[in-house]
Amino acid sequence: GAGVSQSPRYKVAKRGQDVALRCDPISGHVSLFWYQQALGQGPEFLTYFQNEAQLDKSGLPSDRFFAERPEGSVSTLKIQRTQQEDSAVYLCASSLLALGPLSGNTIYFGEGSWLTVV
Amino acid sequence: SQQGEEDPQALSIQEGENATMNCSYKTSINNLQWYRQNSGRGLVHLILIRSNEREKHSGRLRVTLDTSKKSSSLLITASRAADTASYFCATTSGSARQLTFGSGTQLTVLP
Repeated sequence: GAGVSQSPRYKVAKRGQDVALRCDPISGHVSLFWYQQALGQGPEFLTYFQNEAQLDKSGLPSDRFFAERPEGSVSTLKIQRTQQEDSAVYLCASSLLALGPLSGNTIYFGEGSWLTVV
Repeated sequence: SQQGEEDPQALSIQEGENATMNCSYKTSINNLQWYRQNSGRGLVHLILIRSNEREKHSGRLRVTLDTSKKSSSLLITASRAADTASYFCATTSGSARQLTFGSGTQLTVLP
C-alpha cells in the first residue's frame, strides 16, 4: 500500500486478555518503530527493528510486551495479560533507511491502533 | 519519558493570524523535527532542522533552532482552519535511532 497500515484500528480488550496489533510498513522500508501514545501526550518509543532484527527494545514497559518482525516486513506487537494502564494508541512508523530519523530520514506513521482495556 | 516540553499546551487563534509554538529539550541533539497530528490520526512530518542550522522555511512554516538555549520554535503564518491539530517537536540524540517527542501543543484555528 501507499502508507503504513495498522490493524485493528480499534480494540477493546478485557483486563487479562492478550492482544496482537499488526503493522504493515511501506514496502521496502528497512526501519520500523513502535510507539505508545497516551491520551493528551506525545508518543513514547517502544521498540525498533532494522529489517527482521530487533535492535532496540528499551522502551517496552514490561515483559508483557513483545514485538516481532520475522520476515523484515510486517510487524506484530503483542501485549499479554492486558491491564488498564495499557490503554493507549499504538503507533507504528517506518522509514526507508537503516538510520531512520537519526540521519534526517523521514519516518512515516500509521494511523494507530486504539486499545482500550476495560 | 518525554524529551521536551511544548509551550503553550493549547493555543486558539483566528484564521489569518500567525501561530507560534515553542519547544524546549534537555539533551544535545542531532536534529529536531516537527510533526502534526489531526485528531484520531497518525503523525505527519512537517519539517526537519539539523543541529547546525538556525532557521528553516517550508511554505507557511518557519522553524528556528537555538542549541544554546535548547529550544526551537515553529511559526505557522496566515493560519487556516485546516491547520487545527496537535503539533509535536521530536528530537534524535546520540546514536539512538528513535524520535523522542515533546508533549505537544493543541492549536485551534477559528474560522
